[in-house]
Amino acid sequence: AQKITQTQPGMFVQEKEAVTLDCTYDTSDPSYGLFWYKQPSSGEMIFLIYQGSYDQQNATEGRYSLNFQKARKSANLVISASQLGDSAMYFCAMREASGAGSYQLTFGKGTKLSVIP
Amino acid sequence: GAGVSQSPRYKVAKRGQDVALRCDPISGHVSLFWYQQALGQGPEFLTYFQNEAQLDKSGLPSDRFFAERPEGSVSTLKIQRTQQEDSAVYLCASSPRTGQGAGEQFFGPGTRLTVL
Repeated sequence: AQKITQTQPGMFVQEKEAVTLDCTYDTSDPSYGLFWYKQPSSGEMIFLIYQGSYDQQNATEGRYSLNFQKARKSANLVISASQLGDSAMYFCAMREASGAGSYQLTFGKGTKLSVIP
Repeated sequence: GAGVSQSPRYKVAKRGQDVALRCDPISGHVSLFWYQQALGQGPEFLTYFQNEAQLDKSGLPSDRFFAERPEGSVSTLKIQRTQQEDSAVYLCASSPRTGQGAGEQFFGPGTRLTVL
């Protein structure tokens, strides 16, 4: 089974509008972390926002917020007031304990967001 | 400030050649990860170092892949006898701490490897 599922290969949003990028996850580990990264065409992965499994409140970072619904195992990213520079690939990722203790990230396949002027 | 750097940024190799990819993590970062990102996919974990110790190499796809971090800072990912399926972007990431409290991982720009 996929650990991270991003069902939207591509999304379009009008400039200045809000957009929600979907992410569902699968884990049996009670302690885990959820991340969103942005990857522009230049290729570098840029950290956006983090949500811990025990965090009571949804994470927010500027125009980014994470809609964390633990029972549904979803961690959707909401971008408010979209800007042209938001056009990029967006990856949802999960960190959980590994047997070797590396706590590596497992990524989804990504969503390509295009902001329309 | 200095982020994670990787070199070369682009590498073209003929099938069967050996390649070495370098990663300079952020100074003082204990944890170092290598990921492989195929075209149109998300990154996939290859291996993990805590200082100079390679604690997890479960993601290395074959014994042609080898990674080292001898002094706990710079790391090298080596691929022997490259194959076409090795073509991908190789990303390095570092983190200041270890374990579940490691926080975010800081990624380098990646090395795009093309095997002809």
